[in-house]
Amino acid sequence: DAKTTQPNSMESNEEEPVHLPCNHSTISGTDYIHWYRQLPSQGPEYVIHGLTSNVNNRMASLAIAEDRKSSTLILHRATLRDAAVYYCILLKAAGNKLTFGGGTRVLVKP
Amino acid sequence: GAGVSQSPRYKVAKRGQDVALRCDPISGHVSLFWYQQALGQGPEFLTYFQNEAQLDKSGLPSDRFFAERPEGSVSTLKIQRTQQEDSAVYLCASSLRRVTGEQYFGPGTRLTVT
Repeated sequence: DAKTTQPNSMESNEEEPVHLPCNHSTISGTDYIHWYRQLPSQGPEYVIHGLTSNVNNRMASLAIAEDRKSSTLILHRATLRDAAVYYCILLKAAGNKLTFGGGTRVLVKP
Repeated sequence: GAGVSQSPRYKVAKRGQDVALRCDPISGHVSLFWYQQALGQGPEFLTYFQNEAQLDKSGLPSDRFFAERPEGSVSTLKIQRTQQEDSAVYLCASSLRRVTGEQYFGPGTRLTVT
């Protein structure tokens, strides 16, 4: 199975954008790129997912490299509530179980 | 509407005791998952149900772990003869679709085995 690589942690200032990178150099053509986040003492929460094209929703944007070997989750204006662990996960089109790695811990400074 | 709920939120068990953890998924959700999250780690898959059928139990760490979803809604994860290494947060998630759907997680049950 293809794996993802993320930095352990990142810091951001409140109201500034946050760019979270994810490398997945062995991604296959049927792998969707999913992002979940986990706030302290809560279960994970779905953020966004995509296959080839960039995606936007109310929470974030997902920018996918043309070769699909990497992607970036973009939080446009970080708030204190965005402090969480962010997980980049590959999921096949016919798959369902999520394989979480270590994720990136995001700290937002006021 | 209500999200995924889990009970109890916290459970302390003496080593050797049996425990039962309950998950109430979102109404109408076909898929139900159990994950185990050790302190400081990401969640790890335990088992998956599609309606009442347990289609994947490849993540269950031993035969002391048993899960059921008899009527295709509420699910119970049972751990027999608990060991200290079973201490973790147990997360339940449900999804409307059979595959690739967004998963909605409950708050988890924190199990501490003493």
